[in-house]
Amino acid sequence: DAGVIQSPRHEVTEMGQEVTLRCKPISGHDYLFWYRQTMMRGLELLIYFNNNVPIDDSGMPEDRFSAKMPNASFSTLKIQPSEPRDSAVYFCASSPFKVAEQYFGPGTRLTVT
Amino acid sequence: SQELEQSPQSLIVQEGKNLTINCTSSKTLYGLYWYKQKYGEGLIFLMMLQKGGEEKSHEKITAKLDEKKQQSSLHITASQPSHAGIYLCGANGGYGNKLVFGAGTILRVKS
Repeated sequence: DAGVIQSPRHEVTEMGQEVTLRCKPISGHDYLFWYRQTMMRGLELLIYFNNNVPIDDSGMPEDRFSAKMPNASFSTLKIQPSEPRDSAVYFCASSPFKVAEQYFGPGTRLTVT
Repeated sequence: SQELEQSPQSLIVQEGKNLTINCTSSKTLYGLYWYKQKYGEGLIFLMMLQKGGEEKSHEKITAKLDEKKQQSSLHITASQPSHAGIYLCGANGGYGNKLVFGAGTILRVKS
């Protein structure tokens, strides 16, 4: 299996622009997670899905952030409008069932100038 | 909410030396996960512990969950440069698979 795939790997954008991050989970995994990692706050869970349905979005920082999972093999995290404080590495992870290890993608390094 | 404290924050060891990293939880641990991260890369799953007193090993890395299930340790025997990276512990406080993570321990191995 190719593992969790994320794109792009790097994104540089200007403040106010829309940013879309993409994730393809491991086939057969029912759970998908979006995390954000910064030096100040460490690794934080933003939102997670079970069978394409958002279960917990309490970690989403603001209404500027939204996530979708239109099918079992694709998810997006959108930031609109982006701000410099959104600069971070965003990880997607997937898991086969409820209590199990999560497999992380390589991350998208976002820089908002 | 559950919080995880890792210690030390960073350490430098000579190749061949043993080392231990600790992860202490503010609440009972129902599932404790150890991950390794290299700079610029994603997290690699190492081990999962669920039962008090449980111990697991993978190659030269051993992880334990104490009986009271509020602390875990990760021990590396005869460290090698390939062990260098950031080690993170993650836990769910009984809320399914919603994980919180510690701040991480940066390990450098001098050859």
